[in-house]
Amino acid sequence: SYELTQPPSVSVSPGQTASITCSGDKLGFKYACWYQQRPGQSPVLVIYQDKRRPSGIPERFSGSNSGNTATLTISGTQALDEADYYCQAWDSSTVVFGGGTKLTVL
Amino acid sequence: QLQLQESGPGLVKPSETLSLTCTVSGGSISSSNYYWGWIRQPPGKGLEWIGSIHYSGNTYYNPSLKSRVTISVDTSKNQFSLKLNSLTAADTAVYYCARQTHYFDNSAYNSWFDPWGQGTLVTVSS
Repeated sequence: SYELTQPPSVSVSPGQTASITCSGDKLGFKYACWYQQRPGQSPVLVIYQDKRRPSGIPERFSGSNSGNTATLTISGTQALDEADYYCQAWDSSTVVFGGGTKLTVL
Repeated sequence: QLQLQESGPGLVKPSETLSLTCTVSGGSISSSNYYWGWIRQPPGKGLEWIGSIHYSGNTYYNPSLKSRVTISVDTSKNQFSLKLNSLTAADTAVYYCARQTHYFDNSAYNSWFDPWGQGTLVTVSS
């Protein structure tokens, strides 16, 4: 079965750029999306179709996908961006989620 | 604005069947553009997709759960439902429902969940 691999944790200083990766075989040939989940809340879509932002998502969130890696980039990271982030793709008639990355804003 | 709300028991006994319903408001479940999905999250762990259904009745299931899962849709009530049988403690989780955009585009499937319901905690315990 298809797997998406994310680093368990990423740390970033306020105002700096955070990058969270999601790796999978030939992931660049699929579409990836990203969710933000703050503690005690439901996941929220922040990137879909590799790089598109839903309405209401700040411009500091961006995405890319090439080769075997999709990347979520948060520019000018703020304290409120501290959350768990999950990537997701579709493969062989199934939805696949990455294991999640805890973003800490120090 | 579209909203989804899960409902069902918070406590279920081992070996029994879990039944949850997701009520969709602010939009029609009978839209050809969308699937409707169930996702769960065990306490302190990541997201696990359970399955999805189109209003036409077409379904996709997680292969690891397929033998125990049934997802159905009731367009007259604007609801879709999940049944998961032979429960064990490992099925304890927050269960979410969500709208899934899913279509084939430029040689790949494009699929994402938005919005999500608030989630409901289901505990499997005697």
